[in-house]
Order: sequence, then structure tokens, then C-alpha cells
Amino acid sequence: QEQLVQSGAEVKKPGASVRVSCQASGYNFTDFDVNWVRQAPGQGLEWMGWMNPKSGNTVFAQNFQGRVTMTRDTSTDTAYMEMINLRSEDTAVYYCARAVLSVSGGKYVINWFGPWGQGTLVAVSS
Amino acid sequence: QSALTQPASVSGSIGQSITISCTGTNSDIGSYDLVSWYRQYPGKPPKLMIYEVTKRPKSVSDRFSGSKSGNTASLTISGLQSEDEADFYCSSYAGSSTLVFGGGTKVTVL
Repeated sequence: QEQLVQSGAEVKKPGASVRVSCQASGYNFTDFDVNWVRQAPGQGLEWMGWMNPKSGNTVFAQNFQGRVTMTRDTSTDTAYMEMINLRSEDTAVYYCARAVLSVSGGKYVINWFGPWGQGTLVAVSS
Repeated sequence: QSALTQPASVSGSIGQSITISCTGTNSDIGSYDLVSWYRQYPGKPPKLMIYEVTKRPKSVSDRFSGSKSGNTASLTISGLQSEDEADFYCSSYAGSSTLVFGGGTKVTVL
């Protein structure tokens, strides 16, 4: 079945960087954008951005521009999210999710997400 | 972008109906019929319950329904059951290839 499997939990110090992986299976990896969403402890979902696995093109939410990169390895059907200069406020569970797109106004736009990865806890603490 | 506005909590008794609102702006909910709703149990990833405002994935019970009026979308759960106790999030396409989530609503079954 279609699924996304993420890498394990990470503990990092402030100022460090982290890379989270998300391996797809059960579908053609390059046919669907991969989005990243994070959830701080006890908080809601925050959309971070997306990457097109075929082209490598990316779009980021304003809060993450300049500090997050999204890449992929099509030989292993794996997407990566790297965040630099970590702060304590970045402590969260990070999810990858496959996006289904729709056409609106002649262009492809984000519709809904599914499946989701199981989540990766990134804890930032000195 | 600012998060969509949802009530922090909604509660109801077994068998009742509840409605969760999700208020956005003319730039997101008001401009696109691309509102989704997700249910999340503690420690689990979200699961899609409604997409394109009113559509339900095949695996989702018809007790869940969605609607939209102007800048506000709503999720109604009818015949409330104990397993409906969870967090619910709305999301909307927000233009310029971006997406925004609501702050989440905790549903309590009394």
C-alpha cells in the first residue's frame, strides 16, 4: 500500500542542523509533491512547504524561508527536509505527507494530503 | 499567512451532532473550494476526513460532512460516537502555492 516512512527521532543542540528523511513506497514517487508539516508539543499543525520530486522545485511558507531546504533522491524514492540554525522553538514532530493536487485557474494547486509519514520528533535542547 | 480560526474545543453527547467552524479570509477559504478536514488521535499522524469542502474519502463514515459559506467552512459530525474524540484540523489552499491550517479543535464526547 502507499506509505511514507520517516527517519527516527533526533536530539539537537541550539544552532545545529537536522535532516529528516521520508521514504515513499507503493506509488510512483515522482508523480506527487511531498509536503512537510510540523507540530510543536501540544500545538496545532503548521505547514512548512513542498517539493516536487520530479523537478526538485520547492515552495516554502514564509516562516521557513532561508532556514529550510527540501531535496530528494529519486533512486531511493526518498525526500529530505533539512533545517539549519535550530532553536528551542523548533522542537516538534515533523511530518511528511503526499499531496494530491487540483487544477485551479489553469495551474496545479494543493488539494489534500495523504498518506502521511509516521512523524519524526526533533528535540532541540542545550 | 495567518492560521485559520477554529474553536479550541467542542463537545457533545453520544448520538448528538456537533459542528466545527473554520474561518479564513478572502485569500484562502473565500477564494477556493479546496478546504480539507483532518482527524488526529494523540501520537498519530492526521487522517483526511473531508476534501474539496464536501467530499468524503471512501473509507470515511457518512456521519462526517462538510460545507462552506463565504470565508467560513464547517465540519459536522452526526451521531457522535466515542471514537470521534480527537483533534480536528481544517486546511485551505491559500494561493501562491501555499497552504494554511486551522489551529485545531479538540472534540470531547461526553
